[in-house]
Amino acid sequence: NAGVTQTPKFRVLKTGQSMTLLCAQDMNHEYMYWYRQDPGMGLRLIHYSVGEGTTAKGEVPDGYNVSRLKKQNFLLGLESAAPSQTSVYFCASTGDRTYQPQHFGDGTRLSIL
Amino acid sequence: ILNVEQSPQSLHVQEGDSTNFTCSFPSSNFYALHWYRWETAKSPEALFVMTLNGDEKKKGRISATLNTKEGYSYLYIKGSQPEDSATYLCAWYSSNTGKLIFGQGTTLQVKP
Repeated sequence: NAGVTQTPKFRVLKTGQSMTLLCAQDMNHEYMYWYRQDPGMGLRLIHYSVGEGTTAKGEVPDGYNVSRLKKQNFLLGLESAAPSQTSVYFCASTGDRTYQPQHFGDGTRLSIL
Repeated sequence: ILNVEQSPQSLHVQEGDSTNFTCSFPSSNFYALHWYRWETAKSPEALFVMTLNGDEKKKGRISATLNTKEGYSYLYIKGSQPEDSATYLCAWYSSNTGKLIFGQGTTLQVKP
């Protein structure tokens, strides 16, 4: 069972470069989330989606954009990468109700030089 | 800013010890409290979702309690084993914001 799959697992970028992180889930979940995890801090919500074609800002949205063109995919884009965006990024999804447990991908470790 | 606090930040115990940690959250606009277990190099996995004041949940040697009126939850591990070594995250779901807010986690190391 694939669950939530994140691509790529690792990436090194130079300041100013752009890239897209892909999250795919095969559980037919409505809700999808992008978090970042930094040392000493909890998971912080970047953007989320409550269904296909919808997106909304989370706690730390600046410098990121997202799209949910298909129900199973949630893309996170960095238009112009900055060193402050060096982090581990996690995608998660959940079923019909937003208070059900979230299912997480394995994370993407991103370094911006 | 609505904070979810976990204590202690880290814990080292011997195999066989029982241990517990605390998650504190705002008592207003409570909807649910989640506990996750996060092993190194893996993704967080849900342990419990608790919604009612006084809730108690159990999974094997791990159990959790919930007090929504005073805004805290305890996670207990009975007879810790080395495989229990992980970071334990709690997350508060607010009916006001409709989003989960995570604590920083408690990292447990169990020595054989």
